[in-house]
Amino acid sequence: NAGVTQTPKFQVLKTGQSMTLQCAQDMNHNSMYWYRQDPGMGLRLIYYSASEGTTDKGEVPNGYNVSRLNKREFSLRLESAAPSQTSVYFCASSEGVGDSSYEQYFGPGTRLTVT
Amino acid sequence: SQQGEEDPQALSIQEGENATMNCSYKTSINNLQWYRQNSGRGLVHLILIRSNEREKHSGRLRVTLDTSKKSSSLLITASRAADTASYFCATDGPYLGAGSYQLTFGKGTKLSVIP
Repeated sequence: NAGVTQTPKFQVLKTGQSMTLQCAQDMNHNSMYWYRQDPGMGLRLIYYSASEGTTDKGEVPNGYNVSRLNKREFSLRLESAAPSQTSVYFCASSEGVGDSSYEQYFGPGTRLTVT
Repeated sequence: SQQGEEDPQALSIQEGENATMNCSYKTSINNLQWYRQNSGRGLVHLILIRSNEREKHSGRLRVTLDTSKKSSSLLITASRAADTASYFCATDGPYLGAGSYQLTFGKGTKLSVIP
């Protein structure tokens, strides 16, 4: 079992460029999440998908879009990158439907720099 | 919308000593979780404690929960250099509907264990 995988590991973008961060899990989990982690801010939820076919906004969704391609895959797209989106992005999954009673499994992260 | 706040922000101890980290939260919760993050890696789930539990053990980890004080503590006994990491508490955040709550992370305690 690979768990949660993310690609790429590192990315540098120029302001205005677009890119898609990929995430896949092999644990047959229902829920998937995208977080960003900034120094001194902890983890903040960008979007989540409680089940295949559904997506919802989290705490900081502006500037991002997501696609739950199937049960395994959940991608995050930056349509027009801005320096404020420089961050480390984590994908996570859990068995439960977005419920705090279920542990979340995290991917290794994507370190994104926007210049 | 942060729910849990860890204290201290940073902690430095000698190998073999015990490390105690605290988490305080504002509103009543159903569950509280603790996660570890090694530098440059994703978060790893350590332990989940439910609101009707007062104490839970897992190996060298001991977690307590005091719902009257809205606080939890994580104790790592006989610490090792490999315990050097950031530790996060996570609790019920915004209500998602259908009895589910978003998991909301604190900003973390950075633990350094000196060999």
